[in-house]
Amino acid sequence: AQTVTQSQPEMSVQEAETVTLSCTYDTSESDYYLFWYKQPPSRQMILVIRQEAYKQQNATENRFSVNFQKAAKSFSLKISDSQLGDAAMYFCAYRSTRGSTLGRLYFGRGTQLTVWP
Amino acid sequence: DSGVTQTPKHLITATGQRVTLRCSPRSGDLSVYWYQQSLDQGLQFLIQYYNGEERAKGNILERFSAQQFPDLHSELNLSSLELGDSALYFCASSVGADRTDTQYFGPGTRLTVL
Repeated sequence: AQTVTQSQPEMSVQEAETVTLSCTYDTSESDYYLFWYKQPPSRQMILVIRQEAYKQQNATENRFSVNFQKAAKSFSLKISDSQLGDAAMYFCAYRSTRGSTLGRLYFGRGTQLTVWP
Repeated sequence: DSGVTQTPKHLITATGQRVTLRCSPRSGDLSVYWYQQSLDQGLQFLIQYYNGEERAKGNILERFSAQQFPDLHSELNLSSLELGDSALYFCASSVGADRTDTQYFGPGTRLTVL
């Protein structure tokens, strides 16, 4: 089974600064999807950004961007101009594109991000 | 708001009991997924339904079962509850079961087993 590792249980950043959250994964597949989800105190899981493995270009969504290193199996999330509302638990997730595991998301254990004013 | 609804928001029950969690997917979505989030296990995939049929099964206990109805809403049934079943249960939905589909999550149901 695919495994997703987030090695930083907690991170903190000053408002308006930039922070990078790390994620690595283990897979033998060449085609897959990677996601970052955000879980604020409300517990709602909110999609932040998505990356297709076959695309070399890193995905961006406003202040959020990823650094996708396929050979290294690394998928980090950069948050620029951090805002208080970015404080949340962030989960990295992997999704296969074939076989019996096609539909399921594999999640890391999460990184709790604190944003200081 | 993702468009996925889950009821109830909170559920408190006793060991040995049975509960039913309900999920309504986003309008037009045919796939429903169930996940369990606990402190011990993190976020784990339980089961997926697509247009009424079971599509994939994950780490779902035999005491748990699910189904998707013709109107596409889904129910997750948990029986013979144990303390360790206390968790946040999420439902997610996607348009289809295609590789490109993104899953959108509901607000979750917090289950507490006493």
